[in-house]
Amino acid sequence: QKEVEQNSGPLSVPEGAIASLNCTYSDRGSQSFFWYRQYSGKSPELIMFIYSNGDKEDGRFTAQLNKASQYVSLLIRDSQPSDSATYLCAGTGTYKYIFGTGTRLKVLA
Amino acid sequence: DAGVTQSPTHLIKTRGQQVTLRCSPKSGHDTVSWYQQALGQGPQFIFQYYEEEERQRGNFPDRFSGHQFPNYSSELNVNALLLGDSALYLCASSFWGLAGGLNTGELFFGEGSRLTVL
Repeated sequence: QKEVEQNSGPLSVPEGAIASLNCTYSDRGSQSFFWYRQYSGKSPELIMFIYSNGDKEDGRFTAQLNKASQYVSLLIRDSQPSDSATYLCAGTGTYKYIFGTGTRLKVLA
Repeated sequence: DAGVTQSPTHLIKTRGQQVTLRCSPKSGHDTVSWYQQALGQGPQFIFQYYEEEERQRGNFPDRFSGHQFPNYSSELNVNALLLGDSALYLCASSFWGLAGGLNTGELFFGEGSRLTVL
């Protein structure tokens, strides 16, 4: 069983819509969760992290964490073509960060 | 403030050769982790260095080894290269002391070293 699972996509949304990206994890000991954006051929860049149950908002991005359901999500409001990328979800283990395979998002102009 | 720097950015090797990749962490960071990212996959944890010691290792063979220097920079060595070692190798740094030692610190990635094994 993969420790962090994501739908590989692609997830296609029209420009201006809300994109919803989801992630589930198996290790209940994971303390924090991170969302990274990765453009093709580039390295991952941190969008935001969350470690408490509930919602955390940062500009157009909202991360949601539900530890009881072992579920993390990222909402992107007013999606732009420049948001087209692969979004990686990561949870923390004892020392390492465990990444999912990523969800490819395509925002259609 | 310099971020995480890696070298070389691209390299081509043949099977059986050895490669060394280098990483300088972000200023103020003391922990370096190495990840392998194959095409279409998420980063896979290779190992982490803290206080010049390998603190944790992922599911990678002994052909993969590393080192951390007193200035916190790090090297990743891969011996006896296989075709399957072709990937983007990412170095990431963090500060372990953040949040009282809990592993909640942000991980910052370098641009990566793209290795092609022929």
